[in-house]
Amino acid sequence: DVKVTQSSRYLVKRTGEKVFLECVQDMDHENMFWYRQDPGLGLRLIYFSYDVKMKEKGDIPEGYSVSREKKERFSLILESASTNQTSMYLCASSFGGNGSPLHFGNGTRLTVT
Amino acid sequence: QKEVEQNSGPLSVPEGAIASLNCTYSDRGSQSFFWYRQYSGKSPELIMSIYSNGDKEDGRFTAQLNKASQYVSLLIRDSQPSDSATYLCAVRGLNTGFQKLVFGTGTRLLVSP
Repeated sequence: DVKVTQSSRYLVKRTGEKVFLECVQDMDHENMFWYRQDPGLGLRLIYFSYDVKMKEKGDIPEGYSVSREKKERFSLILESASTNQTSMYLCASSFGGNGSPLHFGNGTRLTVT
Repeated sequence: QKEVEQNSGPLSVPEGAIASLNCTYSDRGSQSFFWYRQYSGKSPELIMSIYSNGDKEDGRFTAQLNKASQYVSLLIRDSQPSDSATYLCAVRGLNTGFQKLVFGTGTRLLVSP
């Protein structure tokens, strides 16, 4: 089974802090993704990566950056956390190719106070 | 127009009935379609994928795709209370880039005993 592991289940940070969310997958997937999920807005793509050191902006990249130094690890960085970044963050991975589904991690519930 | 649209529900069905969940999409070039189930507080898990027009069955689940009408549906036969969850439709299309999935906001299903 594919395993996508997010480092924290719950996280509480203060406004202005730099926040790192880590994600590791064990299936040698080319693609990795960061989504956030908010009530009524669904899943929105923040960033994705299709190869090591490669990244593409998603629909809502403002206020976020990412890092992919190794194939299995994809990090989401909040440079200066704000209260409107309080959300559920979901990491996912997939093989390359049109037919590949996304496999999700357990999610990180981030609260910024 | 949203790229992927779902009725938010809740859709209420009695135990043992057939639940019918619907999804429409705007990108005519879409090629891959997925249904995910998400329990409250959990991450989405893949139920079914479908790529060709017609029906695809897996146990109690049947996915139906009609590309001409830009419509994909999920039928759940013999619905159980454990099926109560939010069901997300996801679409991968030419216009969104072949790596990304675009998600609907989900339909909440309630199965009453």
